[in-house]
Amino acid sequence: QKEVEQDPGPLSVPEGAIVSLNCTYSNSAFQYFMWYRQYSRKGPELLMYTYSSGNKEDGRFTAQVDKSSKYISLFIRDSQPSDSATYLCAMSEDSSASKIIFGSGTRLSIRP
Amino acid sequence: DGGITQSPKYLFRKEGQNVTLSCEQNLNHDAMYWYRQDPGQGLRLIYYSQIVNDFQKGDIAEGYSVSREKKESFPLTVTSAQKNPTAFYLCASSTGQMNTEAFFGQGTRLTVV
Repeated sequence: QKEVEQDPGPLSVPEGAIVSLNCTYSNSAFQYFMWYRQYSRKGPELLMYTYSSGNKEDGRFTAQVDKSSKYISLFIRDSQPSDSATYLCAMSEDSSASKIIFGSGTRLSIRP
Repeated sequence: DGGITQSPKYLFRKEGQNVTLSCEQNLNHDAMYWYRQDPGQGLRLIYYSQIVNDFQKGDIAEGYSVSREKKESFPLTVTSAQKNPTAFYLCASSTGQMNTEAFFGQGTRLTVV
């Protein structure tokens, strides 16, 4: 079993829809949770960063962490075609970037 | 503009040859990393360096080598010992000071022909 599981998709939704992306994990010691967005043939860029449990909102994006269920989510409201990308969840036990474990990514397509 | 520059963007290598991927950053970051990305798999850490003249093996270091002679530069050599080198290689950097955020370059796609 992988430490971090992420549905690879592809996920296709119409423009304006609410998108929910999810990851599950097995290591209860994870405390730092991240979402990266990666456009085709580009490097990933950090979207959201959360420490421990709870919600974090940034514009149209909301990240949720449920440590009791070992489950994290990224919600995208009013989705736009420019949101079409692969979304990678990532998590770490401590604040060292060398310890980050990445999910395999979910490919998202927003239809105009 | 500050950032991380990887070159070349595409690279072709014959079997049995070593090849070096370049990574340069002007973010004044202490820590630098090399990841490999394969279809259907998450990013896997090859090597990382927290400080100049020091580096550590990641999860999949076999068949790779690195050097960190300058703060700005962290080249990765894919040796002939790497059994399956065709992949997308990503370089990243971070401040290294209690900061998990990693900034990524645009990647190098290596193909063995």
